[in-house]
Amino acid sequence: ETGVTQTPRHLVMGMTNKKSLKCEQHLGHNAMYWYKQSAKKPLELMFVYNFKEQTENNSVPSRFSPECPNSSHLFLHLHTLQPEDSALYLCASSQDVGQRPGPQHFGDGTRLSIL
Amino acid sequence: AQKITQTQPGMFVQEKEAVTLDCTYDTSDQSYGLFWYKQPSSGEMIFLIYQGSYDEQNATEGRYSLNFQKARKSANLVISASQLGDSAMYFCAMSSNQGAQKLVFGQGTRLTINP
Repeated sequence: ETGVTQTPRHLVMGMTNKKSLKCEQHLGHNAMYWYKQSAKKPLELMFVYNFKEQTENNSVPSRFSPECPNSSHLFLHLHTLQPEDSALYLCASSQDVGQRPGPQHFGDGTRLSIL
Repeated sequence: AQKITQTQPGMFVQEKEAVTLDCTYDTSDQSYGLFWYKQPSSGEMIFLIYQGSYDEQNATEGRYSLNFQKARKSANLVISASQLGDSAMYFCAMSSNQGAQKLVFGQGTRLTINP
């Protein structure tokens, strides 16, 4: 059982819908991440949260809105998405250990399809 | 900016043989970390092994070892005694060693183990 849980596993939505992806980590980590994995492209970092504060927004369009209410939970709110946003969205967490970072632990991902 | 290059889109190996997956990187950071992840067809990203830039010895984790050649900026993954379950995508990644990590991933190598 993974220490990082993502729901839902699959999501199909229209371009005008609003939905949210949820990520929960049970590892006691203080940093959480959202990644996008499109077909035939490397994983792309979207957002980074460290101790609930957003520290990185990698030029992500505003139709993606992250929320981190506490160090264990991370959401990605989706609104008015485009077909090119169809991808696997992966959540990860890690322990911020300064000069020697621990590995990021990933969830199983949410496979998102935009109609 | 950091960059990871994996030049092998696909590898085919006979079961029980050893396999080396190539990874070269580019960074101007003095302190950084190198990671390898495995992604089976189910989508989850599984952490395999980590090498710190100041680690003098190559990292090993069971059947996995990382052949770290700092001067050549390479961090190849070696899998000994390959098994059918090793068939998956393998990603090399790196991050700077400062706070929450911004992992940069390579394109990945699809490894297929033949019986």
